[in-house]
Amino acid sequence: EPEVTQTPSHQVTQMGQEVILRCVPISNHLYFYWYRQILGQKVEFLVSFYNNEISEKSEIFDDQFSVERPDGSNFTLKIRSTKLEDSAMYFCASSPGQGFRGYTFGSGTRLTVV
Amino acid sequence: AQSVTQPDIHITVSEGASLELRCNYSYGATPYLFWYVQSPGQGLQLLLKYFSGDTLVQGIKGFEAEFKRSQSSFNLRKPSVHWSDAAEYFCAVGADNTDKLIFGTGTRLQVFP
Repeated sequence: EPEVTQTPSHQVTQMGQEVILRCVPISNHLYFYWYRQILGQKVEFLVSFYNNEISEKSEIFDDQFSVERPDGSNFTLKIRSTKLEDSAMYFCASSPGQGFRGYTFGSGTRLTVV
Repeated sequence: AQSVTQPDIHITVSEGASLELRCNYSYGATPYLFWYVQSPGQGLQLLLKYFSGDTLVQGIKGFEAEFKRSQSSFNLRKPSVHWSDAAEYFCAVGADNTDKLIFGTGTRLQVFP
């Protein structure tokens, strides 16, 4: 069964550093998402992306965050200057179309900011 | 705005006992409803989903859920719990006018032998 692949599975970074989290969505999917889960809390929507632009973002997704689909296969989340409170599990998801049929999550990247 | 409530933060059951995890949602029209399971340090695994049709939905690992519009609920059930079912369970809702899922706060299931 097709999978959404996220790398790395765990990343440790120093506060203030830039970090890029990578995702390879399912190949025929057109809609892409990032979610975040702070340890012990619920999963929260960050951003959705379609046709090379952001279609929706949450209030969490401020100017220090950006997303990009640089090469037609990868989908990245960049955090420009990491803070301690950015430590969380970040999940990528993709979907073949609008709506939720085929909505698939990756296994996540655990980001630790020290 | 859509919201999801999982009233039980933590549930403990004995192995072999039946299980019901509660989920209530807030949304005017028919929502898209999901249950995910997350083992410690792991990703989200889809257990089952409801989009339309039969209100009793069968999922993986012997789980089922029932959509009850009158109660705005989508409770997850399993007739006989196994020790390997110990995990965090998240209910989520999606709506027609958005592609984002709204998650509940989760229910941690502990299973005693």
